Amino acid sequence: DAGVIQSPRHEVTEMGQEVTLRCKPISGHNSLFWYRQTMMRGLELLIYFNNNVPIDDSGMPEDRFSAKMPNASFSTLKIQPSEPRDSAVYFCASSPRQGGTEAFFGQGTRLTVV
Amino acid sequence: GESVGLHLPTLSVQEGDNSIINCAYSNSASDYFIWYKQESGKGPQFIIDIRSNMDKRQGQRVTVLLNKTVKHLSLQIAATQPGDSAVYFCAENYGKGHSGAGSYQLTFGKGTKLSVIP
Repeated sequence: DAGVIQSPRHEVTEMGQEVTLRCKPISGHNSLFWYRQTMMRGLELLIYFNNNVPIDDSGMPEDRFSAKMPNASFSTLKIQPSEPRDSAVYFCASSPRQGGTEAFFGQGTRLTVV
Repeated sequence: GESVGLHLPTLSVQEGDNSIINCAYSNSASDYFIWYKQESGKGPQFIIDIRSNMDKRQGQRVTVLLNKTVKHLSLQIAATQPGDSAVYFCAENYGKGHSGAGSYQLTFGKGTKLSVIP
């Protein structure tokens, strides 16, 4: 099993540009999460999908952030337009169980907005 | 990798000694707890979990203790090795009661950096 796969691993972009982060969860897992990690705020849950349906997006910072899960094997997190304060490491995680128990994390995407 | 270790509590342990990492959780209604290990440049990795109906659970070289009275969780690592050097996060989990979905959210602590001295 390859685990949760995220791409790209690193992304540097200019303020105002659109950024799309991608995630392939572990096959068979029906829960998917997007987290953001910064030194100041630690790990924050942005959005949670169950069976491809967004269940809880209360952590999404603002309308500039959007996430989709068109099928069980793919999800995207989009930021448009990006701002320097969006710089962080973004993690995708999947779980075989409904909800957040025993979530398996990807390697993360380090986003730098200049 | 991500500099999550800066400004975090740090625990330095001699190789071979036992390590104890502590965590205070916030929600008395939390019913499930997880310890994660995060190495530099990697995502958090599941170590061990415990449900609120237990006060102790053992894994391979790790033990988690739960004290619900004072809302305290600890992770004990026996015979600490250099490969154990990482940031350790506790996470608490409680049902949000979404109808039909039973959504649960993990709330992570700030983390503790463990440094193993060879």
